[in-house]
Parts: sequence; C-alpha cells; structure tokens
Amino acid sequence: SQELEQSPQSLIVQEGKNLTINCTSSKTLYGLYWYKQKYGEGLIFLMMLQKGGEEKSHEKITAKLDEKKQQSSLHITASQPSHAGIYLCGADKEYSGGGADGLTFGKGTHLIIQP
Amino acid sequence: DTGVSQDPRHKITKRGQNVTFRCDPISEHNRLYWYRQTLGQGPEFLTYFQNEAQLEKSRLLSDRFSAERPKGSFSTLEIQRTEQGDSAMYLCASSLGDYNEQFFGPGTRLTVL
Repeated sequence: SQELEQSPQSLIVQEGKNLTINCTSSKTLYGLYWYKQKYGEGLIFLMMLQKGGEEKSHEKITAKLDEKKQQSSLHITASQPSHAGIYLCGADKEYSGGGADGLTFGKGTHLIIQP
Repeated sequence: DTGVSQDPRHKITKRGQNVTFRCDPISEHNRLYWYRQTLGQGPEFLTYFQNEAQLEKSRLLSDRFSAERPKGSFSTLEIQRTEQGDSAMYLCASSLGDYNEQFFGPGTRLTVL
C-alpha cells in the first residue's frame, strides 16, 4: 500500500523566516494534496498537484511536485504567526489512477512560528 | 455558512454505548467521505459515498461501524458498543464530481470512557 512520509515531523521557525516541508511517497503519486490543520479542528484545503514538475502558489505558500511524481515540497516565504499549525499531505490511492475516492495522508508536520 | 458541518462537535460516552454523528456536506457536492484521526496521526479513510451509494469501506470499519447517506445529502456514522480504542476525531469531507479536492468539516471529537 502507498505510504506518505513527511519531514520534518516538527519545525520551529522564527517569524519572517522561510521554511520547507517535504512529503515523499513510496509509489508514484497520481494526485497530491496539501492541507493545513489547526489543533483540534478540521483540515483546510491548500493546493492540489497532479502533473510532474507542477508548481502552484497561493499568497506566501508554494507547492511543487517533482518530475518523477514521488515527492512534493511546500515552501512558505516570510513566515507569519498565522502559518502555525499542522501541514498534511494527502494522495489519491494508487489504484484509483486519480479517481475521486479516499485519500491517504502522511502524519503531518507541526509548524510553530516564534515571534 | 456553506461549508461542511458536523454535529456534535464533542461527544463523551461510556464504553458499550452507541453513538451517532451527523455530517452535512457542501450542498452541491455529490461525494461524501468519513475519516478517523487519532493524536499525532494523519486522517485515516473509513468510507465514502457517491450520492446515496456507499462505494468503498476501509478494513478499519469494523462491524460495529455503519454509515448511511439515505437521500444523498447528509450522512450519519454510527458506532455501536463503543470501545476505548474508538476515541478519536471523526472527520467528514465532501467533493464534487471527478475532482478529489475534498473539503473537510470541523470534526467530531469522541471520547470513550
């Protein structure tokens, strides 16, 4: 079965600094999704990537999917306290070929922003 | 508010009791998903519906769990004879058509004493 490994598990960054979170798959990714979760709350959709080499940005957050479609990175520029939370990557099941069914998630990266 | 809503937000129950959770998806979304999340883990897929049809169930969904979406709108997740291991956050999500961008509700936190 497909597994997603996120690194680092936790990250403490001074406000204003840049940071990168990685998500690595054991198998080819058909669809890769980034979510943010505040502690004890639901997930907020950030971005979806499907094509090798694809890159998307929203405000100060940029996500990329590598050419081989087995690794994705999430980069935050000039971090702010509002960026604090848990970042989760999720992937379409391999056998669905990108179909709309349940996602497989990594364990998440806990991001703390120090003022 | 037109997002996914879940009720209740918190539920405390005693071992052996039955509990039922409700999820109201975004109104035009035809797909609805249930996930379970325990502390320090990412969400784990339980089951999903396309309209009123339950299309997939995870092996995590034991016989004590049942989910319904009778009219293709809201869904309920029932856990019978709860066990302490059922304590978790239960998340509902919905999506539209062929797109798998799933939008999540705030979750129901279940504590089994």
